[in-house]
Amino acid sequence: DTGVSQDPRHKITKRGQNVTFRCDPISEHNRLYWYRQTLGQGPEFLTYFQNEAQLEKSRLLSDRFSAERPKGSFSTLEIQRTEQGDSAMYLCASSKSWITGNTIYFGEGSWLTVV
Amino acid sequence: AQTVTQSQPEMSVQEAETVTLSCTYDTSESDYYLFWYKQPPSRQMILVIRQEAYKQQNATENRFSVNFQKAAKSFSLKISDSQLGDAAMYFCAYRSGGQTGANNLFFGTGTRLTVIP
Repeated sequence: DTGVSQDPRHKITKRGQNVTFRCDPISEHNRLYWYRQTLGQGPEFLTYFQNEAQLEKSRLLSDRFSAERPKGSFSTLEIQRTEQGDSAMYLCASSKSWITGNTIYFGEGSWLTVV
Repeated sequence: AQTVTQSQPEMSVQEAETVTLSCTYDTSESDYYLFWYKQPPSRQMILVIRQEAYKQQNATENRFSVNFQKAAKSFSLKISDSQLGDAAMYFCAYRSGGQTGANNLFFGTGTRLTVIP
């Protein structure tokens, strides 16, 4: 199976600590997205990359959040000085960009609990 | 800004019966795509069906079909012959069809579907 993979699947951290999530997209997909999903809500867009370039960031992405995709393949999402409000599922997704309306495929998500 | 509304937080259906999940959206664009995603308890979002706004014909995927009413901005999902494995959270999503920009998905708040044996 060569779907979108995310690591770790679950992370419990103390408030104030830094956490990093990794996403490996489907290999031929050059667009990569990060979404956040809280309980009882639909996913909300955070940011996206086309190849290695981060082209758009949501207002939800505070200064404590940083995402990278250094070689246009895998991506990392780091949250610094975590707060309890950061507790959520962080979803990574990928798609091709040269076909308009192409499907976005999601990973299984990384669940963050800040205590 | 695009908004997606799912007015049914929860729905239930008897196994083998048919259920329809509702979705409305708001947009000023003419070129866009609509999707239904399924999120089982394992949490991975899985694409169920997609509809291009320029197509008049309603999309169908096996037991899943949509009723796309472009003028009314309505996009409902019909599940026929419901199975226990259909139990999940269902999200309606909108995506711009433009060639530029993120083309990211805007999601509704979801409908939790329970299938009763």
